[in-house]
Amino acid sequence: LAKTTQPISMDSYEGQEVNITCSHNNIATNDYITWYQQFPSQGPRFIIQGYKTKVTNEVASLFIPADRKSSTLSLPRVSLSDTAVYYCLVGAPSGYSTLTFGKGTMLLVSP
Amino acid sequence: GAVVSQHPSWVICKSGTSVKIECRSLDFQATTMFWYRQFPKQSLMLMATSNEGSKATYEQGVEKDKFLINHASLTLSTLTVTSAHPEDSSFYICSASKGLGEDTQYFGPGTRLTVL
Repeated sequence: LAKTTQPISMDSYEGQEVNITCSHNNIATNDYITWYQQFPSQGPRFIIQGYKTKVTNEVASLFIPADRKSSTLSLPRVSLSDTAVYYCLVGAPSGYSTLTFGKGTMLLVSP
Repeated sequence: GAVVSQHPSWVICKSGTSVKIECRSLDFQATTMFWYRQFPKQSLMLMATSNEGSKATYEQGVEKDKFLINHASLTLSTLTVTSAHPEDSSFYICSASKGLGEDTQYFGPGTRLTVL
């Protein structure tokens, strides 16, 4: 399983764009990159998933360079409610593969 | 779509008793379900993986006789903590995957277990 490395914490202010970068140097050819958000005492919530280049949905964008050894989750115009822990995970889309959660990034958004 | 529920959301029990936690996929069939445990201020730790109709696969260090997992249907998995002790107090989270080439895991809201 590919290991991921993220910053332990990040601070931001309301309305700013936040970029959280994740390193996954030993990502395998079949691995996808998935980001989850977790609030205290809640289960993780799926944010976005991608394989290469750029993926965008209604809440975030995911940028993946050509070598796929890192990825960046971009949250546009964050609000106080985006304060949470963000996890980057890599794994193959087999439906049976397990996920290994790293420590995640604690994002604190201030007024 | 892809909603997963857990019941109960929290439970308090006495040491030595057993507690059952249910995990249901509400709007899809889950080929595979996963059980995690999360201690305060720590990340999620995978406990076991279960496929419908077969025995669960436990992670190293997780006692299969203590944490009984049953995945009897494509929409229900249960985790039973047998002879619970205070050190089993934790936040238990399940997730479900549709399988068939889709790897995304959809997580339940979690169950807070407190053993007195």
